[in-house]
Amino acid sequence: AQKVTQAQTEISVVEKEDVTLDCVYETRDTTYYLFWYKQPPSGELVFLIRRNSFDEQNEISGRYSWNFQKSTSSFNFTITASQVVDSAVYFCALSESVGGDMRFGAGTRLTVKP
Amino acid sequence: ETGVTQSPTHLIKTRGQQVTLRCSSQSGHNTVSWYQQALGQGPQFIFQYYREEENGRGNFPPRFSGLQFPNYSSELNVNALELDDSALYLCASSLERPDSGNTIYFGEGSWLTVV
Repeated sequence: AQKVTQAQTEISVVEKEDVTLDCVYETRDTTYYLFWYKQPPSGELVFLIRRNSFDEQNEISGRYSWNFQKSTSSFNFTITASQVVDSAVYFCALSESVGGDMRFGAGTRLTVKP
Repeated sequence: ETGVTQSPTHLIKTRGQQVTLRCSSQSGHNTVSWYQQALGQGPQFIFQYYREEENGRGNFPPRFSGLQFPNYSSELNVNALELDDSALYLCASSLERPDSGNTIYFGEGSWLTVV
């Protein structure tokens, strides 16, 4: 069965600090996809990244970076030099296909204080 | 701006009533999924439609049903509402086939409160 664990329920940092959000997943599939979404108070889930199980290269997009390690079944997300606008709930998700049903973690609420 | 519009944004229903939630996707988005997100939890998959046919279903009872229309709109219907149905309902759409590799776009959701 698929499972996604985000052990950090809430994180609070001061602006400009770096912060890492952890995600650990379980799946028996050899092919799968991992996602990160941001959910601001409005409720809409904003797509951040998609990774397939055959691509373990880390990715950097501006202040965001992702570390995918199959050996530890982890897909962690780091925000460098955090800003107040980064405050939101962040979800990690797993799917056996890109457009298929996704299994979400419980989310991590990030608060960035000025 | 994802191009996925949901209505209504907020509604209150009484236990035992029925509710219909609507979603309008971008042109060409033949795949639509619905998720339920209870307060403080991650979204849970309800079902998915591809070209107006159900293409997968999560662990939800039959009183949760859906429809997808040729004009890229869809509906989520919930009968015999229960208090635990109170949640944010999210619609997600993507281009063409579910495995096509396209990004999935979410709407802002419909907040349902059952009293």
